[in-house]
Amino acid sequence: AQKITQTQPGMFVQEKEAVTLDCTYDTSDQSYGLFWYKQPSSGEMIFLIYQGSYDEQNATEGRYSLNFQKARKSANLVISASQLGDSAMYFCAMRELGRGAQKLVFGQGTRLTINP
Amino acid sequence: DTEVTQTPKHLVMGMTNKKSLKCEQHMGHRAMYWYKQKAKKPPELMFVYSYEKLSINESVPSRFSPECPNSSLLNLHLHALQPEDSALYLCASSQDPGQPNGELFFGEGSRLTVL
Repeated sequence: AQKITQTQPGMFVQEKEAVTLDCTYDTSDQSYGLFWYKQPSSGEMIFLIYQGSYDEQNATEGRYSLNFQKARKSANLVISASQLGDSAMYFCAMRELGRGAQKLVFGQGTRLTINP
Repeated sequence: DTEVTQTPKHLVMGMTNKKSLKCEQHMGHRAMYWYKQKAKKPPELMFVYSYEKLSINESVPSRFSPECPNSSLLNLHLHALQPEDSALYLCASSQDPGQPNGELFFGEGSRLTVL
């Protein structure tokens, strides 16, 4: 069984600072995918970034990067130059491969607040 | 704007009512999902449809009945719900169930209150 752990219930950061949101995972699968989603108060889950277990390079998408350390089973999200609009709930998620359909399992989430 | 559309956005129903949640996507995606999210909790998977066939049911009570009439539509029929079923119900889709790096696209959710 897979498990996702986000140990930071809440984070408070000053605008324009960089922030790292922690995520560790546990799986016996060799092939898996790791995702980060943002959920503003509106409720929609917004896809941010993806990292495959066999990807050698850390994923980057604009201001988002994923610090993937496979041996430590961690997939931390780094947001550079934070903005007020980054205030939201952030979920790390993992998907097992080799199944007929995707089963995406989420961590408990981290609520990020950006202060002006 | 999200490309996964959910209606209604808000629903209040009694325990004896029958209602339905609707989800629609026109991205040609072949996998569709229902998630349930309680306040301050992560989304929990309920059902997965792959090529219009139910492929995963996470032991959801029978008072929730999913339906996938075609590749663009996903319904969740609700009957004899309990107050603890009050939650945000999120629909999602992905391009290909077997694709390793396909992200899920989510709708804005339907916020359900059971009285």
